[in-house]
Formats: sequence, structure tokens, C-alpha cells
Amino acid sequence: AQKITQTQPGMFVQEKEAVTLDCTYDTSDQSYGLFWYKQPSSGEMIFLIYQGSYDEQNATEGRYSLNFQKARKSANLVISASQLGDSAMYFCAMREHSFNSGGSNYKLTFGKGTLLTVNP
Amino acid sequence: KAGVTQTPRYLIKTRGQQVTLSCSPISGHRSVSWYQQTPGQGLQFLFEYFSETQRNKGNFPGRFSGRQFSNSRSEMNVSTLELGDSALYLCASSSGQGSSSYNSPLHFGNGTRLTVT
Repeated sequence: AQKITQTQPGMFVQEKEAVTLDCTYDTSDQSYGLFWYKQPSSGEMIFLIYQGSYDEQNATEGRYSLNFQKARKSANLVISASQLGDSAMYFCAMREHSFNSGGSNYKLTFGKGTLLTVNP
Repeated sequence: KAGVTQTPRYLIKTRGQQVTLSCSPISGHRSVSWYQQTPGQGLQFLFEYFSETQRNKGNFPGRFSGRQFSNSRSEMNVSTLELGDSALYLCASSSGQGSSSYNSPLHFGNGTRLTVT
């Protein structure tokens, strides 16, 4: 079963409007972290925002906010006032706080991504 | 602070050859992870190193190997290349220390795009 599901392969939004990118996750851990990354066509992965499973407030970073609904296991990314430069692939990722012989698990599991296109 | 540096940016190899990719993490970061990105499989975890020790390994064949040096720089090696190894290989670093640092984001490099012909 997929651990991270992004159901929107592609999304379109008009410049200056807000857009929500969906992400649901599956874990039995109590401690975990959720991340969103942006990947422009150049290929680099840019960290946007983080939400911890014990964080009571939704994370915000500038125009990015994370709509965290723990009971529904969803962590949707909201981008306000879209800009043309926001056009990119967006990935939701999860780090589960499990241990192995080497210590804490720092592996990220990624969703398939959502391609966001911002229209002028 | 300089970001994560990966070299080379592009590589073209033929089947059966071997290849070595290099990654220099952000100064002070001791954890280095490698990911393979393909259109079909998406982003898949290869392995993670911390203080020269492999802490985690993904589900890849033994042809994929890596190592980390005392200065935290890391190399990834793929032997006996196959056409399916064509991908963008991303390296990421994080501080990776302490039980609460699982909230530390991974900082990625620009990747090495490997084409196997």
C-alpha cells in the first residue's frame, strides 16, 4: 500500500489565486513528520514546509501553509497568491520515526507528485 | 552557506559500464541520503549514511553501493549499468543528529542525470 498519496497528477491555477494540493498518508507510528518539496524543471528539490505529528498548529511559511488533519491523515499544501514562478512539481513526503540498528530513521517516503501550472 | 553539491550534472554511459557519482553536503551536515528519481517509479530511497556508516538501505540490487568519507562527502557507485538505471540521482543532506532531529528537512542537490545507452 502506498504510504503517501497525491491524487492530483496536475493542477491549474490563475496567477494571484490560492491553490490546495492534496496529500494523504498512511502510518501506524505516533511520531512522524510531513514535508512538502517543490521541484522546478531544473531538477533541484526545494524544501517548503514541515509539519510534525505532535504539532497542534498548522505550519506556515510565507505564502505556504499546511492544512494538517491528523484524524483524516491528510496534510494538504495551500499556496496563497500564486505566482508564475510557482509552476513546478510538488511532492509530499513523510518521515516515520522508527528505529533500526543504525539509530533513528531519516528516510523520506515521497508521493508521486502534483504538477502545478500557474496561468497568467 | 553553500548548498549540497553534486557532480557531475550529466553523465552518459553504456550498458555494462560502471559509474561513480559524488555529493558534498552542506557544511556541518553529517547525514547524506541518495534517491533515484524516474518518471515511472518516482522518488525512491537508495541509502543513507551518517558518520561514514550506512544507517538505512532501500530496495535496490547490490549493484548500487555507496560510501561516506570522514569529511561527510559521499559517493554512490552503480556497477554493470542497465538501461533501467537511467534516472536523476539526487543527494540530500541533513544534520541527522539526536532523537528529535527527525523533523530536520533534507536539503537536496541539483542531481546527476544519468543516461544509459
